[in-house]
Parts: sequence; structure tokens; C-alpha cells
Amino acid sequence: AQKITQTQPGMFVQEKEAVTLDCTYDTSDPSYGLFWYKQPSSGEMIFLIYQGSYDQQNATEGRYSLNFQKARKSANLVISASQLGDSAMYFCAMSPRPTGRRALTFGSGTRLQVQP
Amino acid sequence: ETGVTQSPTHLIKTRGQQVTLRCSSQSGHNTVSWYQQALGQGPQFIFQYYREEENGRGNFPPRFSGLQFPNYSSELNVNALELDDSALYLCASSSDYQEDTQYFGPGTRLTVL
Repeated sequence: AQKITQTQPGMFVQEKEAVTLDCTYDTSDPSYGLFWYKQPSSGEMIFLIYQGSYDQQNATEGRYSLNFQKARKSANLVISASQLGDSAMYFCAMSPRPTGRRALTFGSGTRLQVQP
Repeated sequence: ETGVTQSPTHLIKTRGQQVTLRCSSQSGHNTVSWYQQALGQGPQFIFQYYREEENGRGNFPPRFSGLQFPNYSSELNVNALELDDSALYLCASSSDYQEDTQYFGPGTRLTVL
């Protein structure tokens, strides 16, 4: 079984500052993938970034980076230069590999509010 | 835009009724997964279809059933609706040879009265 824990129900950040959203996970699978999704109030789940458990380098996608610490079982999302449009719910998720054919397990989410 | 579409956008039903939700997957994707997201929670996996066969199921009762068609579009059927079935239903498409993610549609918001 897999478990994702997001301990920050809500976060505030000033526009243009960086913010880190925490995610810890637990799994017995030797190979797995970690994901972050953004969910605006409209409801659609928007894929942000992916990290494979055997990837040597931390994933980056534009202003998003994933701080992957395998020994600590953490996969924190870092958003640099926050924008007002970043205000949304953020979900950490994981699945065994191959990730395209396995169920995603989600955390409870963190609500990020970016203040001008 | 993920290319994944869902219909209808919103739906209101009464307890005991049946409902069918539809999902069209992204071009080239042969796997569809369905998730239920209750208010204030993360999505929960319902089941997944791969090449028209059920490929895994979460902790949902048999009154939740599905289909996948030859064009890889999919339906989620829920019988004997209960109040707790009120939620956002998300479908996600993926490819068995693509090692990154599942791409979600905009969701169907179901309200059971």
C-alpha cells in the first residue's frame, strides 16, 4: 500500500517570493513515480512535475522544481517567483511504475494563496 | 488543455437513481482511470480500464461500474445513488508506454439530493 502525507492544509506566500510545499510518502514498491498536480477552483487537475524514484537528478519544469530526498521519503514542491495565478490547491501523488497503468494515490492537498 | 474531455459538467440526481458519466481520452492514450474527489479531499481511485478490460479497482462497491470502448473513451456508471456519492468525478488518460503521468479531464460534479 502507498500513502502520501501533506501536513500543510494552507500556505500563504507573497507575490514574487518562493514557496515550498511539503510531501512525504510511504511505499513498499521498489520503483515508483512521484507527481505534483495543481487544482484551481475550476476543478481540473493540472499536471505540474514528475520524479521517478531512480532518477538521479531532481526534476524541474519552469518555475517548479521537486526536491526529492529518497532516504527521507520526501518530495517537496518548490515554486519560485510566485504569481497570483498560482493560488490553488496542490496535490502530491504517487504510483508504482509503470505509472501509466497504475493507480495514483493522492495526499489531502495544500491550499496555496499568493498575496499581492 | 490536456485533450481529455468529460460530460456532463454538472449533474443533479436524487437518491436511488442511476447515473452515467463519460470521458474521452487524449489521442494515443489506451488507459483510462476514474477518480472520485469528495469536497475538501484528495481524489480516490475508483478503477482503471486498459484496452477495454478492467485493470485495477479501488475500494468502491460493485454499484460503481465502467466500460471502455474500442476508441478508448470510457463510461462510469453508478447505480442506486447515495448522498455520499456527491463528489467531483475525474477521469484521467494515460499510455502504457508513457512513463510520466496521467492527464486529467475537467471533471463532472455530481450532486445527489
